[in-house]
Amino acid sequence: GAGVSQSPSNKVTEKGKDVELRCDPISGHTALYWYRQRLGQGLEFLIYFQGNSAPDKSGLPSDRFSAERTGESVSTLTIQRTQQEDSAVYLCASAPPLRDIINPNYGYTFGSGTRLTVV
Amino acid sequence: AQSVSQHNHHVILSEAASLELGCNYSYGGTVNLFWYVQYPGQHLQLLLKYFSGDPLVKGIKGFEAEFIKSKFSFNLRKPSVQWSDTAEYFCAVIPGTGGFKTIFGAGTRLFVKA
Repeated sequence: GAGVSQSPSNKVTEKGKDVELRCDPISGHTALYWYRQRLGQGLEFLIYFQGNSAPDKSGLPSDRFSAERTGESVSTLTIQRTQQEDSAVYLCASAPPLRDIINPNYGYTFGSGTRLTVV
Repeated sequence: AQSVSQHNHHVILSEAASLELGCNYSYGGTVNLFWYVQYPGQHLQLLLKYFSGDPLVKGIKGFEAEFIKSKFSFNLRKPSVQWSDTAEYFCAVIPGTGGFKTIFGAGTRLFVKA
């Protein structure tokens, strides 16, 4: 498709259950980010994939959070044993290769997010 | 640690008022600077960016931003806001090193009264 696709768009889960969130980036975009946006707050960086380099996991809040990406395709964010404080919108963004950064239109394309509610 | 500060969390303006949203970053090297906007119920989208060259950057919908290297700032401006500018605005920085990870500010919510 033309944009970044995230699924599901909404997820309600019980505390303690595991959830898996999916992101389909734009074809050819080598960079992929996961962010979390809690209600009324800014973007919180979670993890960053750049091509075949080792991912930057420095933003993952606990070992309950993990993410994978195969090559330059789909990424999944997994939250194990969900807690109520995990409730947020989880945003995925992708971007072209770094060599394109000089392009005036270079920027990240965001998906519409997955709204996760832990009850 | 590298960070991006947006000074105002909430701004309320009347239509036709001028807008300036502050953004400061903490990185001394080469930077790429961005402003993103999130309209109610919509995706985050790129408003404008600075990579190099003229420090005054013009974006969509009449927005502009000025990169002042000595002040580590990249403030967003618009001479006359409209009700449709009601949105949340995020400043972002890609430092020239460190894996090119984008660092976002906390965002500024702008509400424009009709």
